[in-house]
Amino acid sequence: GIQVEQSPPDLILQEGANSTLRCNFSDSVNNLQWFHQNPWGQLINLFYIPSGTKQNGRLSATTVATERYSLLYISSSQTTDSGVYFCAVPGNTPLVFGKGTRLSVIA
Amino acid sequence: DTEVTQTPKHLVMGMTNKKSLKCEQHMGHRAMYWYKQKAKKPPELMFVYSYEKLSINESVPSRFSPECPNSSLLNLHLHALQPEDSALYLCATAKDRDSFNEKLFFGSGTQLSVL
Repeated sequence: GIQVEQSPPDLILQEGANSTLRCNFSDSVNNLQWFHQNPWGQLINLFYIPSGTKQNGRLSATTVATERYSLLYISSSQTTDSGVYFCAVPGNTPLVFGKGTRLSVIA
Repeated sequence: DTEVTQTPKHLVMGMTNKKSLKCEQHMGHRAMYWYKQKAKKPPELMFVYSYEKLSINESVPSRFSPECPNSSLLNLHLHALQPEDSALYLCATAKDRDSFNEKLFFGSGTQLSVL
């Protein structure tokens, strides 16, 4: 089945810093989704981005489908950005998740 | 705020108990999913319902029994669980399951502890 790899696995940032999270996938996909799981377990769908670039406030995402990767940019990070960021793609099940990047933003 | 509501938020049960998890959505979505998430792991698919019919069962043990009584409700009935079944159980919905390319919306989950 399709493999999804995320990097880095862990990231610690000072409040106000910028960061880039990466998601590599092993096969062609028709969509890719980025999620943020907050410390209380809620999974929020950040982006549905099969290709191209999208922006939502301080967050933006870029997917280069031909090269099988996606990037999530977080600018001017805030403590509320802490949590785990997952990317997910369709495989032999509706969504196959990467292992996530655990982000801690320190004030 | 999520439009997918899960109850209860927390559940503690013994191995001989029978309990149910509930998921409700009012987004008009016709695909509903149960995921299981162990600590520090990604969510793993358990079941998919499409138009109130079970379409995917990821070889889940029979002690987990899903039910979709109508297009807005999804239940997960639990019986004779094991301590290793302790996890966060997440419900998700999508507009339609047919293409595998729908955007998923998750509820806030039920944190289950089996003693």
